[in-house]
Amino acid sequence: AQSVAQPEDQVNVAEGNPLTVKCTYSVSGNPYLFWYVQYPNRGLQFLLKYITGDNLVKGSYGFEAEFNKSQTSFHLKKPSALVSDSALYFCAVRAHTSGTYKYIFGTGTRLKVLA
Amino acid sequence: GAVVSQHPSWVICKSGTSVKIECRSLDFQATTMFWYRQFPKQSLMLMATSNEGSKATYEQGVEKDKFLINHASLTLSTLTVTSAHPEDSSFYICSARDLGSGRGGTYEQYFGPGTRLTVT
Repeated sequence: AQSVAQPEDQVNVAEGNPLTVKCTYSVSGNPYLFWYVQYPNRGLQFLLKYITGDNLVKGSYGFEAEFNKSQTSFHLKKPSALVSDSALYFCAVRAHTSGTYKYIFGTGTRLKVLA
Repeated sequence: GAVVSQHPSWVICKSGTSVKIECRSLDFQATTMFWYRQFPKQSLMLMATSNEGSKATYEQGVEKDKFLINHASLTLSTLTVTSAHPEDSSFYICSARDLGSGRGGTYEQYFGPGTRLTVT
């Protein structure tokens, strides 16, 4: 079955420290991977995606993610966290099922950046 | 570019009434729109895939007679929650796939801001 796992419900990090939000996936074929951020009572905002090419993908707001095929992971990272980065983060994979493309989302990781 | 809007942003209705939620792609054409439901502190659950000019494809366990989806044009899809009950209270999010993004194979989706439905 195609799936996405975000093993941490919450990640706490001090402002200015590096942050990592973990994501692993299981999908048939080449994975198309995405990270989204959600603020309270808002929709999802696109951060970055991996389709092909360099394993290190740079996205919005200083975020980046590293695609690791052997570990089937796509961890989100940022060198220096800001309090304003506190939000809910979703990893997603595009899967081809029943003749159409769908996004499968992880359960989300709440990031809390402490001042 | 690639803006998706939803209307209303929040709605309160009485049990037994129907509520319509609109999803519009403002600056691109979307042959496919998706409707998701999100419970508090949970992930997004895909409810249905809506294709312009044809019937929506519902995910397993989603009642098609309760959640009516219409995708009449390349920029508008509507979700109608019929005979709403308190358990239908949730955050509903739509997304639209840019017709143009399919050429690059990315099939990127753009998400609306969501609609919070509260049924009393």
